[in-house]
Amino acid sequence: EAGVTQFPSHSVIEKGQTVTLRCDPISGHDNLYWYRRVMGKEIKFLLHFVKESKQDESGMPNNRFLAERTGGTYSTLKVQPAELEDSGVYFCASSPSDRSHGYTFGSGTRLTVV
Amino acid sequence: AQTVTQSQPEMSVQEAETVTLSCTYDTSESDYYLFWYKQPPSRQMILVIRQEAYKQQNATENRFSVNFQKAAKSFSLKISDSQLGDAAMYFCAYRSAIGGTSYGKLTFGQGTILTVHP
Repeated sequence: EAGVTQFPSHSVIEKGQTVTLRCDPISGHDNLYWYRRVMGKEIKFLLHFVKESKQDESGMPNNRFLAERTGGTYSTLKVQPAELEDSGVYFCASSPSDRSHGYTFGSGTRLTVV
Repeated sequence: AQTVTQSQPEMSVQEAETVTLSCTYDTSESDYYLFWYKQPPSRQMILVIRQEAYKQQNATENRFSVNFQKAAKSFSLKISDSQLGDAAMYFCAYRSAIGGTSYGKLTFGQGTILTVHP
């Protein structure tokens, strides 16, 4: 079984540019989550998809962040325009419908905004 | 809102020894799940162990076991016979078992860096 795949693994962009991160969850996992860890701080929840619907987007920091999950498969997280404080590691995770399971995480995308 | 606290930013252990990582949490809910995740330097987080709050028995997975104290809201991880491959950042996490829009959300602690000395 393929795991959760994220790309790119690293991205360095200039302030004001746009970046799109992609996450491919495990096939059949309805739940897809985005988290991020800003340097030195704890991992923070961004949002949760159930299939193609946003179940909870309470963690999205502001309207510069846009997440989509077309067709309930892969998801994208776009940051436009990027700011310096957006730098960090963005993790994607997926899980099946059973709530008792933990997630399967991707390896993350390390975003650096300069 | 739930909070998770890991008070040990760094811990170290000698190979083959035992180490315990601490985690406390705060919640008003009675039903929830607790997790320990391991993030090696390669950065992918791996589930180490899971505990269901309604179960009295502490979870065990090979060399990894937890001490779950529900009344004290404590969830420590014990690693026995430590190996060099155990070196990683360890995160404690909480997940509600109650329905609602945020049921799927994990709340993480700050993480503990574990170093294993040969």
